[in-house]
Amino acid sequence: SQQGEEDPQALSIQEGENATMNCSYKTSINNLQWYRQNSGRGLVHLILIRSNEREKHSGRLRVTLDTSKKSSSLLITASRAADTASYFCATDTTRDDMRFGAGTRLTVKP
Amino acid sequence: EAQVTQNPRYLITVTGKKLTVTCSQNMNHEYMSWYRQDPGLGLRQIYYSMNVEVTDKGDVPEGYKVSRKEKRNFPLILESPSPNQTSLYFCASSPQYYDRAYNEQFFGPGTRLTVL
Repeated sequence: SQQGEEDPQALSIQEGENATMNCSYKTSINNLQWYRQNSGRGLVHLILIRSNEREKHSGRLRVTLDTSKKSSSLLITASRAADTASYFCATDTTRDDMRFGAGTRLTVKP
Repeated sequence: EAQVTQNPRYLITVTGKKLTVTCSQNMNHEYMSWYRQDPGLGLRQIYYSMNVEVTDKGDVPEGYKVSRKEKRNFPLILESPSPNQTSLYFCASSPQYYDRAYNEQFFGPGTRLTVL
């Protein structure tokens, strides 16, 4: 079964707009991570937020974590066409396994 | 260059013919893992390994075997492949810090397997 569920499944925006993706999960976690994947290639790590953190920033990325609601959000500000990709949240669970969601497909139109 | 390598990158085989997909990392990572990716399902973990000689089942282990005899290698074995194992497979590795604060995963380029 999937741990993370991303929402929305697909998102289409114009260059310069902000993109927000949400992730919900089911079990206890050590940390939550966001990854990016371009068209069937390997995933690239974007940002990690620990279970005792509430917000984290990295460049144009902002991640929040609400462990009481078992949810996280990824905000990409001032999006660019090069941000077009699929984005996945992954939970590092207390059982030591990793659970990924089905992903959000982001399209940024020039 | 720090990387995770997988071989082969593409493989077409027939039902029942044993195959092995190799995975190797040069970052001295303790944690290694195999995933399969299918449309609409995201990545699902097959097996993972916390260190040499330590392996555990992930979400979808049926039909797969793994071994971790050396720290750098984590091969995935399909003893008798079936068409429902047609998928895109990824190997990944990460360091395992005690507080789990920095254990981001590094992914290989993927192996596209087709079982006829």
